[in-house]
Amino acid sequence: GENVEQHPSTLSVQEGDSAVIKCTYSDSASNYFPWYKQELGKRPQLIIDIRSNVGEKKDQRIAVTLNKTAKHFSLHITETQPEDSAVYFCAASRGSNDYKLSFGAGTTVTVRA
Amino acid sequence: NAGVMQNPRHLVRRRGQEARLRCSPMKGHSHVYWYRQLPEEGLKFMVYLQKENIIDESGMPKERFSAEFPKEGPSILRIQQVVRGDSAAYFCASSPPVGESSYNEQFFGPGTRLTVL
Repeated sequence: GENVEQHPSTLSVQEGDSAVIKCTYSDSASNYFPWYKQELGKRPQLIIDIRSNVGEKKDQRIAVTLNKTAKHFSLHITETQPEDSAVYFCAASRGSNDYKLSFGAGTTVTVRA
Repeated sequence: NAGVMQNPRHLVRRRGQEARLRCSPMKGHSHVYWYRQLPEEGLKFMVYLQKENIIDESGMPKERFSAEFPKEGPSILRIQQVVRGDSAAYFCASSPPVGESSYNEQFFGPGTRLTVL
């Protein structure tokens, strides 16, 4: 089955700096890669996703890149703000009737004011 | 449009009792997924259902756990004879029918936090 590895496990950044989280996956058939943000005691919230037919996607301060050859994808948060502090999870799925998400272990991001 | 709803939000059971967790998907969504999250860990897939069908239960423990998504009403995750190791947050997610998206954007409910004493 799919194995998603995520690092770092914790990340502390100064407000205004950038944060980068990296994930690798093992199943070459995976073609959908969402990122979720989870605040303490809350539900995971989809913040951005990328499909295998594109290499990069951006939404305001958040961007995601995908390298299918190397089987890795990354989340970039620019101009970090205190409200970006949360746990971020990457995930992967095959789509095409195999929709289950395989999640990374999560990255705890702390933005220092 | 209400989001994914789960109840109860918190559930306390003693060892050996049964736990029933309910999930109502977003309006118009026909796919339901259950995930389990242990403290300070990621989410682990348990089961994927469509109305009246279990599509993939590869993540479900073979014993004591079952899930259903009836034609009417919410999806139910049932844990029989709970043990302390079942203590976790159980999240339900839903996604729209395949025809509307060839990829499955999954939207999560608030979760049920199960504590087994």
